[in-house]
Amino acid sequence: DAGVIQSPRHEVTEMGQEVTLRCKPISGHNSLFWYRQTMMRGLELLIYFNNNVPIDDSGMPEDRFSAKMPNASFSTLKIQPSEPRDSAVYFCASSLAESYEQYFGPGTRLTVT
Amino acid sequence: GQSLEQPSEVTAVEGAIVQINCTYQTSGFYGLSWYQQHDGGAPTFLSYNGLDGLEETGRFSSFLSRSDSYGYLLLQELQMKDSASYFCAVKDSSASKIIFGSGTRLSIRP
Repeated sequence: DAGVIQSPRHEVTEMGQEVTLRCKPISGHNSLFWYRQTMMRGLELLIYFNNNVPIDDSGMPEDRFSAKMPNASFSTLKIQPSEPRDSAVYFCASSLAESYEQYFGPGTRLTVT
Repeated sequence: GQSLEQPSEVTAVEGAIVQINCTYQTSGFYGLSWYQQHDGGAPTFLSYNGLDGLEETGRFSSFLSRSDSYGYLLLQELQMKDSASYFCAVKDSSASKIIFGSGTRLSIRP
């Protein structure tokens, strides 16, 4: 298996633009997680899905952030409009719901100028 | 709620042994995990303790005491490549979500 796939790996955009991050989980995994990592705030869970259904989005910072999982093999995290404080590395991870081990993708480094 | 505490930084010498501690407070407990993250990389799973005691995997061992809400990661025969950040993590009461600590940055000197 190729592991968790994220795209793009790097994104540079201007403030106010829409940003869409993409994730393909490991085949057969039924839980998917979006994290944000910064030096100041560490690794923050933004939202997670079980069987394509959003379970907990309490970590989503504000309404500018939204996430979808239309099927078991694809998820998106959208920021609209983006702001400089959104600059961070965004990780997607997947797992079996009952497992203690999460598999992380390589991350998307987002820079908003 | 849940919280985990671990030291922010640890420095050790190549070839030595280092222990990274983690204390936690959770409303439900389904095990303690450890992840490693190199600079510029993604977190990767190292170990898991569901029951009290020591789990050994090569040079790395992890310990758990549920009565003390405490665990540690032990790294032996340190190598320069072990320089990384190490995160402890617990499964929350829903047993689906994993909560990560703030991470311990391990620096290794020759």
